Amino acid sequence: AQSVTQPDIHITVSEGASLELRCNYSYGATPYLFWYVQSPGQGLQLLLKYFSGDTLVQGIKGFEAEFKRSQSSFNLRKPSVHWSDAAEYFCAVGSPSGSNYQLIWGAGTKLIIKP
Amino acid sequence: DAGITQSPRHKVTETGTPVTLRCHQTENHRYMYWYRQDPGHGLRLIHYSYGVKDTDKGEVSDGYSVSRSKTEDFLLTLESATSSQTSVYFCAISTSTNEQFFGPGTRLTVL
Repeated sequence: AQSVTQPDIHITVSEGASLELRCNYSYGATPYLFWYVQSPGQGLQLLLKYFSGDTLVQGIKGFEAEFKRSQSSFNLRKPSVHWSDAAEYFCAVGSPSGSNYQLIWGAGTKLIIKP
Repeated sequence: DAGITQSPRHKVTETGTPVTLRCHQTENHRYMYWYRQDPGHGLRLIHYSYGVKDTDKGEVSDGYSVSRSKTEDFLLTLESATSSQTSVYFCAISTSTNEQFFGPGTRLTVL
């Protein structure tokens, strides 16, 4: 069955430290891959996406993610977090050949920033 | 910004009353979605639409119905609201490359 796993429900990081949020997926082929961010009380905003080509993709707000086919992973990274990065982060996958453009969503990882 | 608005943004209602939430988009996207978001459950798809009058069920469709009479509007109706439907509801559109863009959400409380 197709699924997306975000193993960490919460992650606490000190301001200025590096960050890596994990995302693993189970899918029949290489899917489209996405990371979204949701600040408290807000809707979801697209951070970055992978469709094909270079496996390291850059997104907004200084985030990047690396697609590793052998590990079925698409981990999100940031070299130095800021207090404003405190939010919930969602990984999602979609089918390049899908007919309904549905996304399969991870359960989310809540990022807490320590001052 | 994909030009998605939701109304109302907040609503408190009583058990057993009907409730309709509206999603409006300005960019003529074919695919539209209704999700609910609850702590510990992430996003769950309620219904989606792939064109005017074309809709289908998602994973948590019981107790909900939808309608799409115009490309720009996608309505979600709770025929008889229950406390278990207290949630935050998000509308989204999809581009042709599966990117979804979300509205600001509607916080619904059923007493």
